[in-house]
Amino acid sequence: KNQVEQSPQSLIILEGKNCTLQCNYTVSPFSNLRWYKQDTGRGPVSLTIMTFSENTKSNGRYTATLDADTKQSSLHITASQLSDSASYICVVSANQAGTALIFGKGTTLSVSS
Amino acid sequence: DVKVTQSSRYLVKRTGEKVFLECVQDMDHENMFWYRQDPGLGLRLIYFSYDVKMKEKGDIPEGYSVSREKKERFSLILESASTNQTSMYLCASKRQYTEAFFGQGTRLTVV
Repeated sequence: KNQVEQSPQSLIILEGKNCTLQCNYTVSPFSNLRWYKQDTGRGPVSLTIMTFSENTKSNGRYTATLDADTKQSSLHITASQLSDSASYICVVSANQAGTALIFGKGTTLSVSS
Repeated sequence: DVKVTQSSRYLVKRTGEKVFLECVQDMDHENMFWYRQDPGLGLRLIYFSYDVKMKEKGDIPEGYSVSREKKERFSLILESASTNQTSMYLCASKRQYTEAFFGQGTRLTVV
């Protein structure tokens, strides 16, 4: 069964600190993996996409990694800000067209001052 | 910028009412989706459509139907709303091989 597992379920960190969110998947076939950020009461917004051949990709203070062999991805947030408080959702595409999307349940990040 | 617009941010409906949730996208995307999002369960696919008048059931289609008469508009219909359909509903659209763009969500409460 195609599954995407995220950990931790929730995380509280102090402003300015770094953190890493994890995503493990058992999805076949694998096309790509995206990380989305969802602010409270809003729709998710894409942060980054990882394809099979990519190991690392950055988007500002966000850096995503992918290990296709172990089927693991991580999202590292550097120098966290209060505005980073949100839910982060890992989404794996199980087909080339991207119409078979497998969602993780998300990690809720709270950044406090 | 791609825009996916859902007709309402908040809705309160009574049990047994017929409810229409509307979603419009402005980027000529062929694929559109309806999800519901519940605490601890994440996003679950209700229906998706890959073309006008075409639809496919997702993981939880029971109690819902959809309509796609025009490419830019995808409607979710609750034929007879029940309290267990209280949820956040998210519409998304995408072109093949690209990211999905989400609407702002509709928080539906059925009383």
